[in-house]
Amino acid sequence: DADVTQTPRNRITKTGKRIMLECSQTKGHDRMYWYRQDPGLGLQLIYYSFDVKDINKGEISDGYSVSRQAQAKFSLSLESAIPNQTALYFCATSSAPNTGELFFGEGSRLTVL
Amino acid sequence: AQKVTQAQTEISVVEKEDVTLDCVYETRDTTYYLFWYKQPPSGELVFLIRRNSFDEQNEISGRYSWNFQKSTSSFNFTITASQVVDSAVYFCALSFKRETSGSRLTFGEGTQLTVNP
Repeated sequence: DADVTQTPRNRITKTGKRIMLECSQTKGHDRMYWYRQDPGLGLQLIYYSFDVKDINKGEISDGYSVSRQAQAKFSLSLESAIPNQTALYFCATSSAPNTGELFFGEGSRLTVL
Repeated sequence: AQKVTQAQTEISVVEKEDVTLDCVYETRDTTYYLFWYKQPPSGELVFLIRRNSFDEQNEISGRYSWNFQKSTSSFNFTITASQVVDSAVYFCALSFKRETSGSRLTFGEGTQLTVNP
């Protein structure tokens, strides 16, 4: 089983719908991240969390929210999905203290029609 | 501000050719880490290497080698005798060691490498 698990792996939804992407990890890491990948843009950081009580905005947090339900769980929500949020979303973890190495989930492909 | 630039959007080679993927970075930090990740067609991101800013020694791992040059802010990746299985998108990334920022990574745009038989 993967150490970082994302659900769903694929989702097609309509504009205006609420969507939640879930991430769980068995690595015991404190730090969790949500990235978004668009072709030609690399990965951009949406939100990150260093522990259950610590949530921080990344580069592109507008239109997204997160919840750190437990050390092992970090969810990303789109309250009202729009087509330009169509992308591949990655959850990642890292340990603390750390040198920046991230461990990624397998990705969640979201299509907003 | 940090920035990572991978100027090569796509590279296509024939199997057994050597290929170099370029990465140029910008940072004001004196302590930082550079990474390469591989994203095969299956989509997952696979860690390849981490190099800290104080270690400019080149590294070789099998057919892979990395050339870190602080003077030119570059961290290039060479695959020797490329194989079809090397076909993937390769990302260069930069993190910085600052207590308030932890381990956020700034990624380059990625280079799509296609190795043809």
